[in-house]
Amino acid sequence: GAGVSQSPRYKVTKRGQDVALRCDPISGHVSLYWYRQALGQGPEFLTYFNYEAQQDKSGLPNDRFSAERPEGSISTLTIQRTEQRDSAMYRCASSILAGAFTDTQYFGPGTRLTVL
Amino acid sequence: TQLLEQSPQFLSIQEGENLTVYCNSSSVFSSLQWYRQEPGEGPVLLVTVVTGGEVKKLKRLTFQFGDARKDSSLHITAAQPGDTGLYLCAGANVDKIIFGKGTRLHILP
Repeated sequence: GAGVSQSPRYKVTKRGQDVALRCDPISGHVSLYWYRQALGQGPEFLTYFNYEAQQDKSGLPNDRFSAERPEGSISTLTIQRTEQRDSAMYRCASSILAGAFTDTQYFGPGTRLTVL
Repeated sequence: TQLLEQSPQFLSIQEGENLTVYCNSSSVFSSLQWYRQEPGEGPVLLVTVVTGGEVKKLKRLTFQFGDARKDSSLHITAAQPGDTGLYLCAGANVDKIIFGKGTRLHILP
């Protein structure tokens, strides 16, 4: 079946613009996670959802970052007033079980964000 | 702040050699996960270890969780060029997951 998909795969924007990154998890997966991954580094946890409920947003860098998953499926990570330091690979993952970080997470291909 | 340190950062060895990479922390984790990441792709889970002292084998890869559940090792026997990639460890508890920075492994044919 289809894996986790993310769009766009690449996004180039100018400083100060808002961007919306989309994640389509594996069908039926309860939990959805957002990470940011710098080049040559491991993923850095941002936030996660069980169904439509955001469980933990402690990893979001500041209040310019927000995420939603209104129907418990597709999720959008929004970055307002982008800054150059926001440039990174943004990855989404999903897992079958509710909010269990110990469960297998399936990662998407990521969205490479470049802020000029 | 919980940290996971992986060593070495980079490793380049000849095909057929054995190698071990390490993942260390001062924190206790409920489970320790090992991922492999290819260029341009997301991490793919290789194994999860949950019990202190647990050893799991996946073909030529052997994973061990430390007795105190603070560290782990990955041993590869007779490395092959197909083993090349970024190996990430991640420590997970019920409320969080932390990834190490990874070990970039390159196997020379």
